[in-house]
Amino acid sequence: KAGVTQTPRYLIKTRGQQVTLSCSPISGHRSVSWYQQTPGQGLQFLFEYFSETQRNKGNFPGRFSGRQFSNSRSEMNVSTLELGDSALYLCASSSGQLSYNEQFFGPGTRLTVL
Amino acid sequence: AQKVTQAQTEISVVEKEDVTLDCVYETRDTTYYLFWYKQPPSGELVFLIRRNSFDEQNEISGRYSWNFQKSTSSFNFTITASQVVDSAVYFCALSEVSLQGAQKLVFGQGTRLTINP
Repeated sequence: KAGVTQTPRYLIKTRGQQVTLSCSPISGHRSVSWYQQTPGQGLQFLFEYFSETQRNKGNFPGRFSGRQFSNSRSEMNVSTLELGDSALYLCASSSGQLSYNEQFFGPGTRLTVL
Repeated sequence: AQKVTQAQTEISVVEKEDVTLDCVYETRDTTYYLFWYKQPPSGELVFLIRRNSFDEQNEISGRYSWNFQKSTSSFNFTITASQVVDSAVYFCALSEVSLQGAQKLVFGQGTRLTINP
């Protein structure tokens, strides 16, 4: 069974630009969660999608948005990039039936904002 | 609000030593789940264990063992006879139980474990 895949793996952008990250969950999984990992703030929850609906959201500004498609693939968008958005963005998938289902993580997309 | 604290930022031991990673959590929920994840240099978080708040039995899996004590809100992780391959960042995480199934993990800051040969 293929794991969670994230594209691209590395990305360099400049301040003010926008970026879209992609996540393909494990086949059959309907829940996709996104996390931001930085040295200062650690791992922080961004949002979770289940069956194309945002089901949970963390404390991030509106510049961070996401969506999920009918095949459960998810995209995350960050508009008007700031230097502080430089981070490793991790995507996790699960069956999503229960809030405590094990989440399987992808390798992440490392975003650098210059 | 939920919070997870891993007070040990970095630990360095020599191979074959036993090492314990501490995790203390805060939650107002009576039902919750605790997790441990391992993050090797590749960056991908690897699931190690899940425990629910009603099951305080210790668990052992090979060289890994977990001690859950609700009275002290702790969920500590011990590696026995450590090996170089155990070098990684280890995260403790907490999940509330949502009737709607909504998922959210609250992570601790992580403990960077280095096993020296």
